[in-house]
Amino acid sequence: DAGVTQSPTHLIKTRGQQVTLRCSPKSGHDTVSWYQQALGQGPQFIFQYYEEEERQRGNFPDRFSGHQFPNYSSELNVNALLLGDSALYLCASSPWVGSGNTIYFGEGSWLTVV
Amino acid sequence: GENVEQHPSTLSVQEGDSAVIKCTYSDSASNYFPWYKQELGKRPQLIIDIRSNVGEKKDQRIAVTLNKTAKHFSLHITETQPEDSAVYFCAAESAGGTSYGKLTFGQGTILTVHP
Repeated sequence: DAGVTQSPTHLIKTRGQQVTLRCSPKSGHDTVSWYQQALGQGPQFIFQYYEEEERQRGNFPDRFSGHQFPNYSSELNVNALLLGDSALYLCASSPWVGSGNTIYFGEGSWLTVV
Repeated sequence: GENVEQHPSTLSVQEGDSAVIKCTYSDSASNYFPWYKQELGKRPQLIIDIRSNVGEKKDQRIAVTLNKTAKHFSLHITETQPEDSAVYFCAAESAGGTSYGKLTFGQGTILTVHP
């Protein structure tokens, strides 16, 4: 049973460029959330997808957008990259129904913006 | 929205001692509280969690307590070992409406266990 998988694991981009990160949720999970973790800080919630729709959104600008596919996998897109976007981007999956479900994180994608 | 405060930010103990990390939360509707351990360069790993219908949960050397009235929860690690050294994060999940699955994290505690 595969857990949450993310790609790529590391990438370097230049300011102003665009990046796409990918996530496949744990088997049986239909909800995907994305978090940004800057160095030395806790993860910050970006947004959540369920049934191919954005259901919740944290305090992130519109440069951050996402998508969920019918197979529940998801993409995070960041446009017009800034140096401050350098961080570990974590994908988390869970079942939608009910609260208190264990939330599993992927290994993350390390993004460096130069 | 939910706000989670975590203390202390750093904690240094001798091997074999106990370590306690405390968190407070603001949203009384929150009802799921996981703890994550994060080693350098790796993802957060769930080590224990507690739901609001219980006050305490234990798993070998790790225990978590929850006081819903006071809106705080704590992680207790007994008989610490050098491999327990890591950053520990508490988190709270808001409940109700469309808030399922959204975690708000504390700022993290750097735990160092000296041999």
